[in-house]
Amino acid sequence: DTEVTQTPKHLVMGMTNKKSLKCEQHMGHRAMYWYKQKAKKPPELMFVYSYEKLSINESVPSRFSPECPNSSLLNLHLHALQPEDSALYLCASSLDPTPSTDTQYFGPGTRLTVL
Amino acid sequence: GENVEQHPSTLSVQEGDSAVIKCTYSDSASNYFPWYKQELGKGPQLIIDIRSNVGEKKDQRIAVTLNKTAKHFSLHITETQPEDSAVYFCAASIDQFYFGTGTSLTVIP
Repeated sequence: DTEVTQTPKHLVMGMTNKKSLKCEQHMGHRAMYWYKQKAKKPPELMFVYSYEKLSINESVPSRFSPECPNSSLLNLHLHALQPEDSALYLCASSLDPTPSTDTQYFGPGTRLTVL
Repeated sequence: GENVEQHPSTLSVQEGDSAVIKCTYSDSASNYFPWYKQELGKGPQLIIDIRSNVGEKKDQRIAVTLNKTAKHFSLHITETQPEDSAVYFCAASIDQFYFGTGTSLTVIP
């Protein structure tokens, strides 16, 4: 089983709202990732967690706040977003905690619209 | 960081024909090269990958070749089917994945 699940599938929020995206995997993977994908573009890395610790933060604005409560869960807390933050947010995981040499398995994504 | 270029950006083929997508990378330290297929409204799905110690890998109708000297790798899909229509992304990996810009493949029945 190589399934990564993400909830919700769709999210519409105003610029003053606070919301959270959730990602879950039960494959025993030790690295988890958040990516942002705009239409017709490749995924852009936002954050990497290795062994539940933040290892990479690609200079993402503080209105995006990641959290890894345990080895199976990854959250992305959203606050005071801008319309340009509208995108598909993808979660991924890999067995190897070194985020460079192992296969990453992606979830279906959360389609976020900021009004 | 690594720079990955991918060509072509769009590709249309007749059903049953072959499709080839090419990627080049800049950093010779890249050592892992996955290919992902992304259908509309879905997340990327790994279809094949290759490591730097291997020159070619095949899985049924899909194959990937790697030329480390020239720093390029290619995806080959034979006997294309309409369900192969999707966007394909290559990636090169050092400290993280660096994705190509994507190829939109359309297979015409």
